[in-house]
Amino acid sequence: NAGVMQNPRHLVRRRGQEARLRCSPMKGHSHVYWYRQLPEEGLKFMVYLQKENIIDESGMPKERFSAEFPKEGPSILRIQQVVRGDSAAYFCASSPRDWDTEAFFGQGTRLTVV
Amino acid sequence: DAKTTQPNSMESNEEEPVHLPCNHSTISGTDYIHWYRQLPSQGPEYVIHGLTSNVNNRMASLAIAEDRKSSTLILHRATLRDAAVYYCILRDVVQGAQKLVFGQGTRLTINP
Repeated sequence: NAGVMQNPRHLVRRRGQEARLRCSPMKGHSHVYWYRQLPEEGLKFMVYLQKENIIDESGMPKERFSAEFPKEGPSILRIQQVVRGDSAAYFCASSPRDWDTEAFFGQGTRLTVV
Repeated sequence: DAKTTQPNSMESNEEEPVHLPCNHSTISGTDYIHWYRQLPSQGPEYVIHGLTSNVNNRMASLAIAEDRKSSTLILHRATLRDAAVYYCILRDVVQGAQKLVFGQGTRLTINP
């Protein structure tokens, strides 16, 4: 059973471009969470999704950021018109149901905006 | 979210036990205590969790105070690969699916 797969591992974008980060949860997992980690800082929750539904987006910036978890395929975190402040590591986690058991994190996507 | 307090950093020697404390004086009766760790340049990794009783697994032990206002993660024999940031997190199981809220954690350094 493969772990949580995130791709790409490293992404470089110029200011104003779009960034698409993908997360394939573990097999059988229907809950996906996205976190952002700025350099030398802690992990900040962004959004929680189940298949085709956004459950909690309280940590998502109001503009330029969106997330989806379609019925088929990976979860996508999309950042439009990236700025230098978006440079960070973005981690995805998945769990089979609620957080009462172990959650599994991917290796992250490191976004650099130049 | 119920708050936890951890020391910013700790240091220990290889092959010695390590006790990582966590205070959670406002814990509710339905909060589980979770521990995760993040090795350098990697995603967080689950370590252990518990509610009231002490817990053991292959990675660590979790000792929970009788009043549940504090807990201690115990690494019985630290190795260099245990150098990481350790996060103590509370999660209310009654409220259903809840995001994990990470604090600053404890940065553990292991000396050879």
